[in-house]
Parts: sequence; structure tokens; C-alpha cells
Amino acid sequence: QQQVKQSPQSLIVQKGGISIINCAYENTAFDYFPWYQQFPGKGPALLIAIRPDVSEKKEGRFTISFNKSAKQFSLHIMDSQPGDSATYFCAEPDNAGNMLTFGGGTRLMVKP
Amino acid sequence: GAGVSQSPSNKVTEKGKDVELRCDPISGHTALYWYRQSLGQGLEFLIYFQGNSAPDKSGLPSDRFSAERTGGSVSTLTIQRTQQEDSAVYLCASSFGAGGGTGELFFGEGSRLTVL
Repeated sequence: QQQVKQSPQSLIVQKGGISIINCAYENTAFDYFPWYQQFPGKGPALLIAIRPDVSEKKEGRFTISFNKSAKQFSLHIMDSQPGDSATYFCAEPDNAGNMLTFGGGTRLMVKP
Repeated sequence: GAGVSQSPSNKVTEKGKDVELRCDPISGHTALYWYRQSLGQGLEFLIYFQGNSAPDKSGLPSDRFSAERTGGSVSTLTIQRTQQEDSAVYLCASSFGAGGGTGELFFGEGSRLTVL
């Protein structure tokens, strides 16, 4: 069964620090790796995604780094803010490219 | 509406009762997905629709779970003879085309089900 292994499960960072979340994937049929952000009481929303014709994608304070040989990708949040406190999910497409399999989630808390 | 709409937002039921959860996707989105999120846990895939057909039902936990989609739009997830382990937030998402694999999923806010 396809799995996406995400770590850590929870993370506490001081305001202004760097938050790093890692994911290891299995399926290589589709090169598309998104991160979703979920606030309490809300559904997840796409934060940033990478198509690995590049090894890194940056949008503002959020960066995805991709390591194809290691089958890993990570999310870096620079200058973390209390408003970034949320649960973050990585995901990968299934073999048919029809749906996403999500990691177990990382609960991030950014302390003021 | 502009986003994915789910109802009810909260449902409390007694063990053994049947429940229906509704999802109204974004207009024009052909793909629709149901996921389940238990307290503090990840997103568990349940079922996927492309139009009115469900090519992938592999995630449904048991035969007590069923789902349908009519008119390529609204979907209903039905849980028969509910059990306490069914308590979770049921999330619906939609996408344009088979966006789940290579594009963006748009999620609703979920239906929180509590089985007493």
C-alpha cells in the first residue's frame, strides 16, 4: 500500500526561526509533490507544490526542496510567524494520478 | 457558492443509526473526493468520483459505507449502522479534471461526526 512518511509529528519553533518538515515518498509515476496547510476547524488548502524538473521552489517564506535520488522532499518555513501555526500535510499522487495520498501531518506551533 | 460546501457541519448520532453527509463541489469541477480525518490524525482516502462514476472505492472502510454522486455535482456519503469508531471529520474535496494527481484539490470545511 502506498505510503507517504512525514516527520516530525509535531514541531515547536520560536518566532523568527526556521521550521523544517520532511516527507519520504514511494510512487515515482507522477512528478508532483504538494504541501497542504490546515488551520483548526478548516479544510486543508494547497500551500505550495513542486514539479521536480527543479530541485527547489520558493514562494515567499515557504520553500520546497526536492531530492529525487533519496525520494524525499521537505518544506522550509523561513522567519516563522505565530500565524503559521497549523497542521501541514505532504502528499503524492497515486499510481494512476487520480488522487492524493497524504502524509500523517505535522502540527506546527510558532511561539511568539 | 465559491467554495466546496458540506453539510451538516456537525452531526451527533447514536450508535446503530444511519447518517448522510452531503458535499456540493465547486461548479465545473468534475472530480470529487471524500477523505476522513480522525482526531489529530492524517487524511484517510475513502472514495473518488470522476463525473458520476466512482473508479476507486478502495478506501471505503467497510460495506456500511457507500457514496453516490448525481448530475456530476452533489455527492452523498452514507454510513449505515454507525459505530463509535466512525467518529471523525469527513472532508470533501473537488478538482478540475483528474486534478487530484497533478493539480489542486479544493477542500470543504468538513462534517464532524460524533457517534455516541
